[in-house]
Amino acid sequence: QKEVEQNSGPLSVPEGAIASLNCTYSDRGSQSFFWYRQYSGKSPELIMSIYSNGDKEDGRFTAQLNKASQYVSLLIRDSQPSDSATYLCAVRDSSYKLIFGSGTRLLVRP
Amino acid sequence: DAGVIQSPRHEVTEMGQEVTLRCKPISGHNSLFWYRQTMMRGLELLIYFNNNVPIDDSGMPEDRFSAKMPNASFSTLKIQPSEPRDSAVYFCASSWEGADQPQHFGDGTRLSIL
Repeated sequence: QKEVEQNSGPLSVPEGAIASLNCTYSDRGSQSFFWYRQYSGKSPELIMSIYSNGDKEDGRFTAQLNKASQYVSLLIRDSQPSDSATYLCAVRDSSYKLIFGSGTRLLVRP
Repeated sequence: DAGVIQSPRHEVTEMGQEVTLRCKPISGHNSLFWYRQTMMRGLELLIYFNNNVPIDDSGMPEDRFSAKMPNASFSTLKIQPSEPRDSAVYFCASSWEGADQPQHFGDGTRLSIL
């Protein structure tokens, strides 16, 4: 059973802080990694993708990938209350399937 | 650009009724996915189409569920007969084919079976 694991949270951080969201996956053949943000009652929205080891930055977001440790993370700098949402880690396995974690709920306190 | 379009946005019906959910993928995308999301089970992949052909329907929970994609711009997910445990949010997503291609989700259909 291929798995993607995330801490369900909630992760509570003060406004302006760095939020660190983590994800581990079981399939070593996984090729592509995605972070989606889902506001309550809304659909998942793609915010970051990463395919090779290292860091990838996009504005306030940084995705980090370590394939040896089977670990992917998302850093949100200068967190804002509007960042409060559930963040879903998604891993494309060695076939075509996108396996989703259960999500981490982030709460940014004003 | 138009995203993935799903209809209806909300559906409330009595158990035993037939339910049909509709999806229009992003123009040009050749892969289409139906997901179900519940609090208990999270996002579950139900079925995957590539170039209008069903590739994997192993996530379809029962024979009561069926899906079709008659052309590149339209897909349906049908539940017949519906049961209260089918209540969930159903998402359709589409993408280009390829390991590095992200999936883009529609707004979903919130289904309640009474």
